[in-house]
Amino acid sequence: QQQVKQSPQSLIVQKGGIPIINCAYENTAFDYFPWYQQFPGKGPALLIAIRPDVSEKKEGRFTISFNKSAKQFSLHIMDSQPGDSATYFCAASKMGGGKLIFGQGTELSVKP
Amino acid sequence: EAGVTQFPSHSVIEKGQTVTLRCDPISGHDNLYWYRRVMGKEIKFLLHFVKESKQDESGMPNNRFLAERTGGTYSTLKVQPAELEDSGVYFCATSGLAGGADTQYFGPGTRLTVL
Repeated sequence: QQQVKQSPQSLIVQKGGIPIINCAYENTAFDYFPWYQQFPGKGPALLIAIRPDVSEKKEGRFTISFNKSAKQFSLHIMDSQPGDSATYFCAASKMGGGKLIFGQGTELSVKP
Repeated sequence: EAGVTQFPSHSVIEKGQTVTLRCDPISGHDNLYWYRRVMGKEIKFLLHFVKESKQDESGMPNNRFLAERTGGTYSTLKVQPAELEDSGVYFCATSGLAGGADTQYFGPGTRLTVL
């Protein structure tokens, strides 16, 4: 199975809130899990990525939590800001330059 | 350093016509990927070049799509003849080899509308 399932499809939070986006995968051969952020009119840009040998990775206000046994991973955005309003995609692949399998995307809106 | 560039940014064509999309990679990036996003769905993989060779073309929808990467530099994706269901945003992404292969840098995309 190649599918990556992402939820929710859209999310609205107030400034300072902590939006959480969840993803689940099926293929246990995946060993690289990036999150991409996309602003309107731009291409997706790598935000943060994790490998399955760790359960959490934090970069600034962005944190990935990874549960290998459940085959799930999630993105948390601490102290969210209106500038974080964008579409977020989770993805999975095999390390070494393989194709990315994307989730359906989450449109996040952070209200002032 | 310039990022991944794509041309054109938008294209509107009639069903049955031909369209060619172009992608210029980041200099030195040997891996080049094409993806497509249709109507708010997930971004789907089309194919992967390593230099000028097709490494994986398992995502190409049918033989109306032809991708080339002559000389291992820029790549083109031709759709001939275009159908209504080909409408969407086509992204190109590139990455380096070895340790840098995992990070894919995306271009801004080409929005294709087939009428």
